[in-house]
Amino acid sequence: NAGVTQTPKFQVLKTGQSMTLQCAQDMNHNSMYWYRQDPGMGLRLIYYSASEGTTDKGEVPNGYNVSRLNKREFSLRLESAAPSQTSVYFCALKPGRNNEQFFGPGTRLTVL
Amino acid sequence: GQQLNQNPQSMFIQEGEDVSMNCTSSSIFNTWLWYKQDPGEGPVLLIALYKAGELTSNGRLTAQFGITRKDSFLNISASIPSDVGIYFCAGRGMNRDDKIIFGKGTRLHILP
Repeated sequence: NAGVTQTPKFQVLKTGQSMTLQCAQDMNHNSMYWYRQDPGMGLRLIYYSASEGTTDKGEVPNGYNVSRLNKREFSLRLESAAPSQTSVYFCALKPGRNNEQFFGPGTRLTVL
Repeated sequence: GQQLNQNPQSMFIQEGEDVSMNCTSSSIFNTWLWYKQDPGEGPVLLIALYKAGELTSNGRLTAQFGITRKDSFLNISASIPSDVGIYFCAGRGMNRDDKIIFGKGTRLHILP
C-alpha cells in the first residue's frame, strides 16, 4: 500500500467513546490526507496536512481532529464517536508536485 | 462547489468484453486520476492524466483526458475476472486551492 500503514484495521466503538486512528509513512512525503468512504458516496476529504506541523480542514471535518507532529505520522481523532462516523477511513500520501495520491489499506470503524 | 458525476454506477459484463466508463465535472479540471479498489483494500492508482486530449494506457486499460477538460474516460479491453472491483475517477480544478475530489465509483461485475 504505497508505504502507508494504518492502525487499527478494524475497530468497534460505543457512542461517546474516543479513539485515534494512526497513519504512518516510510516515504518522507510532505502531504498527507484523511478520507472517509461510505457506500455510494465515494471518498470525502476530512482533513489534510501539507507539511509537518500544518493541518487544514477538508470537506467533512466536523467531529474530527488531526495531528501532524512529525513528517512520518498523521493521526485522526474522534473525541466522542457517533454512529454517523461509522465508515472506512483511508489515509493517503501525495509524493510531489503532481496530484497523484496513494492510499493506505484503511481502517474499518463501527460506532454502535 | 465542484462536482463529479461518474457513470454508470454499476456494470455487468461477460468475461472478454470491453468496458467503458466516464466521469464529467461541473468545472474545468487540470488533472484526472483513475483508481481501482478491490474489496477490503484501499484504492490503487491506475492512470494519471494531466493534459487535455491526453490518451494514456496501462496494459489493457486506456484513459483519456477530455478536450473540454470537463470529462475523462476509462476503457478496459478484453475483461478478465480480476478486473472486478470499483473504479473511481478523481480530478482537481484549476484554482490553486482546489483539492482532489472523487466520483462515487463504477462497480464492475463480470459474469461467468
